[in-house]
Amino acid sequence: GENVEQHPSTLSVQEGDSAVIKCTYSDSASNYFPWYKQELGKGPQLIIDIRSNVGEKKDQRIAVTLNKTAKHFSLHITETQPEDSAVYFCAARKTSGSRLTFGEGTQLTVNP
Amino acid sequence: NAGVTQTPKFQVLKTGQSMTLQCAQDMNHEYMSWYRQDPGMGLRLIHYSVGAGITDQGEVPNGYNVSRSTTEDFPLRLLSAAPSQTSVYFCASSYGTKTGELFFGEGSRLTVL
Repeated sequence: GENVEQHPSTLSVQEGDSAVIKCTYSDSASNYFPWYKQELGKGPQLIIDIRSNVGEKKDQRIAVTLNKTAKHFSLHITETQPEDSAVYFCAARKTSGSRLTFGEGTQLTVNP
Repeated sequence: NAGVTQTPKFQVLKTGQSMTLQCAQDMNHEYMSWYRQDPGMGLRLIHYSVGAGITDQGEVPNGYNVSRSTTEDFPLRLLSAAPSQTSVYFCASSYGTKTGELFFGEGSRLTVL
């Protein structure tokens, strides 16, 4: 089955800096890659996703890039703010299956 | 809208006890699923359902049962709780079965002594 690895497990940045979280996946048939944000005491919430026919997608301060050849994708957050502090999960899924496989999560802390 | 509602939010069990975690969604979603979240291990799929009357095993199904008698409800049953089942459990649903955003409940924290 699919295996998704996520790095780093913890990331601490100063307010205003950029943050990058990276994920690799094992199944070349995967073609949907969402990112979820989990605030303390809450369930994860989708923040951005990308499909394999696209190399990059942006939504205001967040962007995701995908390298299908290398089988990795990354989340980029620019101009970080304290409210960006949360656990972020990457995930991958194949079109032919309904199973979404998550990475281990990254605890992002933005220091004021 | 209520979205995905999980009950209870907290539960403490003794080894060998049984219990059911309830999950209900009011978005008419076809797909429903249960995940467990453990430190350093991300979210692991326990069971999922692509529609009423249909369930299937995920990554870590042992020790858990599910049923899907209605579109709205997807309860998770622990028949004989074990300390290894201490975790935070999330129910999630989506409109489609192959693509689409997963909507998560707020979680149920279970401790098995």
